[in-house]
Amino acid sequence: GAVVSQHPSRVICKSGTSVKIECRSLDFQATTMFWYRQFPKQSLMLMATSNEGSKATYEQGVEKDKFLINHASLTLSTLTVTSAHPEDSSFYICSASRDTYGYTFGSGTRLTVV
Amino acid sequence: KNEVEQSPQNLTAQEGEFITINCSYSVGISALHWLQQHPGGGIVSLFMLSSGKKKHGRLIATINIQEKHSSLHITASHPRDSAVYICAAHRMEYGNKLVFGAGTILRVKS
Repeated sequence: GAVVSQHPSRVICKSGTSVKIECRSLDFQATTMFWYRQFPKQSLMLMATSNEGSKATYEQGVEKDKFLINHASLTLSTLTVTSAHPEDSSFYICSASRDTYGYTFGSGTRLTVV
Repeated sequence: KNEVEQSPQNLTAQEGEFITINCSYSVGISALHWLQQHPGGGIVSLFMLSSGKKKHGRLIATINIQEKHSSLHITASHPRDSAVYICAAHRMEYGNKLVFGAGTILRVKS
């Protein structure tokens, strides 16, 4: 079956530093990858959509300069949280899509900014 | 009003009980997904439906396009079914994007 690997699963960083999260499709080529954010006891919120080789499309209210997304290949997308602040602490999760309806989710990254 | 509404928000059941989680949507969709999120946060896609009914083990998902309603049923529930269940709608005009319900927190007691 389709597998998406997300790394790291947990990260603690100091305020002002940058953190990179990787999302890798292991056994299929993902035409589109999605990045979500989830606050405690809330559902997923789409942050951005990325297609291989093109710029990511960000949802309204998501700062593109703060959340840098790179989709350099059909199997890898990265999310970099730049100059992280405590309010960026959250659960970040990616999903990869092979076709119109098929989604596979990563295992998520819990980011804590101290 | 959210485009995708789930009920109930919280559900506690005794092991062995039949469980139903409901999802209603107010917009045109091309497909609906049922997802399971475990306490650690990982998400598993259970079903993708565009019509009718699907079954996988003890899980059954149905959708009624005319009524804009879907249900997820769990038969012979077990404590390992405890998780958050999320329905997500594939919006017709949004391409591949999903719109998520708020989730149903299910706890099955032994």
